[in-house]
Amino acid sequence: RKEVEQDPGPFNVPEGATVAFNCTYSNSASQSFFWYRQDCRKEPKLLMSVYSSGNEDGRFTAQLNRASQYISLLIRDSKLSDSATYLCVVNEISGTYKYIFGTGTRLKVLA
Amino acid sequence: GAVVSQHPSRVICKSGTSVKIECRSLDFQATTMFWYRQFPKQSLMLMATSNEGSKATYEQGVEKDKFLINHASLTLSTLTVTSAHPEDSSFYICSASSSRETQYFGPGTRLLVL
Repeated sequence: RKEVEQDPGPFNVPEGATVAFNCTYSNSASQSFFWYRQDCRKEPKLLMSVYSSGNEDGRFTAQLNRASQYISLLIRDSKLSDSATYLCVVNEISGTYKYIFGTGTRLKVLA
Repeated sequence: GAVVSQHPSRVICKSGTSVKIECRSLDFQATTMFWYRQFPKQSLMLMATSNEGSKATYEQGVEKDKFLINHASLTLSTLTVTSAHPEDSSFYICSASSSRETQYFGPGTRLLVL
């Protein structure tokens, strides 16, 4: 089983749609969680951290369920510029800490 | 703040040569730097973690003698791909961190070995 699993997609949605991505992780000792966005041939950029209480940043909402080891990202009112790959990242703090990346979910927002 | 640069952004080399990639934290001191590799349509895979002034910790399956990492200062880490072969062609990305929480990523180096 992969340490961080995501549906690779692609998710093709029309502009204005709401789309949700899910991610599961295998290490229950994982400490912190993030969603990154990666555009084609570019480095990943932090979209938002994910907190146990859930958090929102504009059109983006992230949720964490530690019991189920599940993370989600909801994008409302999709824009063309949201087209990218969304990476679920888990920060494992055991000895030396490190980020474990999911394979990413591709999103295409269509005009 | 928290800007990380990489140089070069792109490099093409012949098989058998060595290539050095630099990663710099421009406006903060990075106690830890990470090196990742990303093949097409795959996610980032951590290659090694380096702490300033000490030897790098390599992930399983990454040859330390082939991928030499030096973290000589709190703002600079280098990755040298020795005797590069076509299968080493990839997107190499570094990140830098001053805490145990947040990593800041460089723009990446695209390596093509002919």
